[in-house]
Amino acid sequence: GAGVSQSPSNKVTEKGKDVELRCDPISGHTALYWYRQSLGQGLEFLIYFQGNSAPDKSGLPSDRFSAERTGGSVSTLTIQRTQQEDSAVYLCASSPGLAGHNEQFFGPGTRLTVL
Amino acid sequence: DQQVKQNSPSLSVQEGRISILNCDYTNSMFDYFLWYKKYPAEGPTFLISISSIKDKNEDGRFTVFLNKSAKHLSLHIVPSQPGDSAVYFCAAKGSGYALNFGKGTSLLVTP
Repeated sequence: GAGVSQSPSNKVTEKGKDVELRCDPISGHTALYWYRQSLGQGLEFLIYFQGNSAPDKSGLPSDRFSAERTGGSVSTLTIQRTQQEDSAVYLCASSPGLAGHNEQFFGPGTRLTVL
Repeated sequence: DQQVKQNSPSLSVQEGRISILNCDYTNSMFDYFLWYKKYPAEGPTFLISISSIKDKNEDGRFTVFLNKSAKHLSLHIVPSQPGDSAVYFCAAKGSGYALNFGKGTSLLVTP
């Protein structure tokens, strides 16, 4: 399909383990975003990539969270030493990244459960 | 600090009637507003947007109204259909790129 894809769709892990979440944006989109949605909450911004510029990491909740984007396409969000409060749906979005306002297209998300 | 608020967690409407979903924001620097629709186990899908230079934008059965002085926007769906049953998120952005989301309103359209 031509949409944003994410893997895995579900991830169950034990507290203290590391996890990696993957996002494949829409082809040609230069902007990529990670959000997370905790139970009963709205989407919370985590990190933003635009082309080859340095990412905006201002939304990352702690230094256990990191993300990279290789070749301006696929992105991986890594959570080290997971905690139970990390349990949430992690959503990736992409947009054309053109000047002005652009809608963001979301993937289906990865549901992370930390036991 | 929640800058975008959707004060109604849920709304139930009869098929064929109008659904009105409300959203309030606190940041006067927001100048672009969007509504997203989300079904279970899927990501949010873009529905409609409005720029702060307008007070109304219409797309088929969906109309968004913006009242800047009140820092309030609303989404009207008319006529409502059972397939419209979903969670609706209001989002806002300013000069930055991150979207600020409300907590969502769950709409149920009953036959």
